[in-house]
Amino acid sequence: DTGVSQDPRHKITKRGQNVTFRCDPISEHNRLYWYRQTLGQGPEFLTYFQNEAQLEKSRLLSDRFSAERPKGSFSTLEIQRTEQGDSAMYLCASSSGVDTQYFGPGTRLTVL
Amino acid sequence: RKEVEQDPGPFNVPEGATVAFNCTYSNSASQSFFWYRQDCRKEPKLLMSVYSSGNEDGRFTAQLNRASQYISLLIRDSKLSDSATYLCVVSSNSGGYQKVTFGIGTKLQVIP
Repeated sequence: DTGVSQDPRHKITKRGQNVTFRCDPISEHNRLYWYRQTLGQGPEFLTYFQNEAQLEKSRLLSDRFSAERPKGSFSTLEIQRTEQGDSAMYLCASSSGVDTQYFGPGTRLTVL
Repeated sequence: RKEVEQDPGPFNVPEGATVAFNCTYSNSASQSFFWYRQDCRKEPKLLMSVYSSGNEDGRFTAQLNRASQYISLLIRDSKLSDSATYLCVVSSNSGGYQKVTFGIGTKLQVIP
């Protein structure tokens, strides 16, 4: 399967804990995006990378959130000191340039 | 005003009906437009890109009206399998940075 993959698919954590998600994009895609989606809403943009450079960050991305793409391939999204309001589906997408984005299956986070 | 606005629905239509969704956007500099389909608890998947000249793919037709800043999706001869949420996506480039905005999605339920 050469699509976008995300790990883990589900994560349950207690409030205050740190969590890290991983995204592996389609191999030839230079752009990688992170979104957050809550029930009944469309995906909300968090940040994106072109190769290893993080080019844009949403105001939604508080200082508890950090994303990296160290070698321009896979990316990680870390949430520190999780809060119940962080519970959502975290989606990763990749694209070649400004072309169509292909989404991974998402990581569903539940903060208790 | 939201950057991308959609009627969340739900639109409940009988099988075989024709249904149309509209989406308006606020940024006149937007350059790329897409319709994505999202099934319940799944990731969004590209349905079709939207071009100024309009485009058709089988039972689906998408159109762009730049003057009025809206895009539309028409589904003919609705099938039960068309039941899903349809997300309008608008992309723009500003200062070399790409901005991608999703609408809230329009929910379609096709009824037997």
